[in-house]
Amino acid sequence: GAVVSQHPSWVICKSGTSVKIECRSLDFQATTMFWYRQFPKQSLMLMATSNEGSKATYEQGVEKDKFLINHASLTLSTLTVTSAHPEDSSFYICSARGTGRETQYFGPGTRLLVL
Amino acid sequence: AQSVTQPDIHITVSEGASLELRCNYSYGATPYLFWYVQSPGQGLQLLLKYFSGDTLVQGIKGFEAEFKRSQSSFNLRKPSVHWSDAAEYFCAVGPPSNTGKLIFGQGTTLQVKP
Repeated sequence: GAVVSQHPSWVICKSGTSVKIECRSLDFQATTMFWYRQFPKQSLMLMATSNEGSKATYEQGVEKDKFLINHASLTLSTLTVTSAHPEDSSFYICSARGTGRETQYFGPGTRLLVL
Repeated sequence: AQSVTQPDIHITVSEGASLELRCNYSYGATPYLFWYVQSPGQGLQLLLKYFSGDTLVQGIKGFEAEFKRSQSSFNLRKPSVHWSDAAEYFCAVGPPSNTGKLIFGQGTTLQVKP
């Protein structure tokens, strides 16, 4: 149980385009989802927290207009990187947490390369 | 300030040897504690967690961890390492509430020698 998927697993896009990444909880309802960014050989940096049906809460320094997060259902959250630039290239990981649960379950990650 | 420290950036052990990965935290209250493992290019898999109760917790893949309140530590151990254990290990702490925000350590890379 507690499986989280992400799609796509990797994406290459041109600078200036937008990219959408999906995060799904497959066997539980995720009231809260988290989006992280990870640079090579580094730890995870929390970008934002999203609760189903409400606006995401962004961490300090994260541009909310650049990283659009939508958590429209209890099993799906999306992260859209708008007008992507090469510096947005990174590994993006989502996690999900169910109601009353304290544990986050992580997706397999999405590697984004912006050319 | 809240923080998690994994003092060892890189550890190499021989297959079959024992392993201990260190984790120290700084937190206002006793947090929830987690160990995750990440294989190259993959997401994180939960190894074990501590919320309360018995301070020695058992996890998957033969791992265990011990919470020591006096030392603010939550070290991960395995008695006999397998080559497949080579990966990146992250210690994380979270608030004993429903907010769920985790603070991660910098990670320890485990290399296993044959």
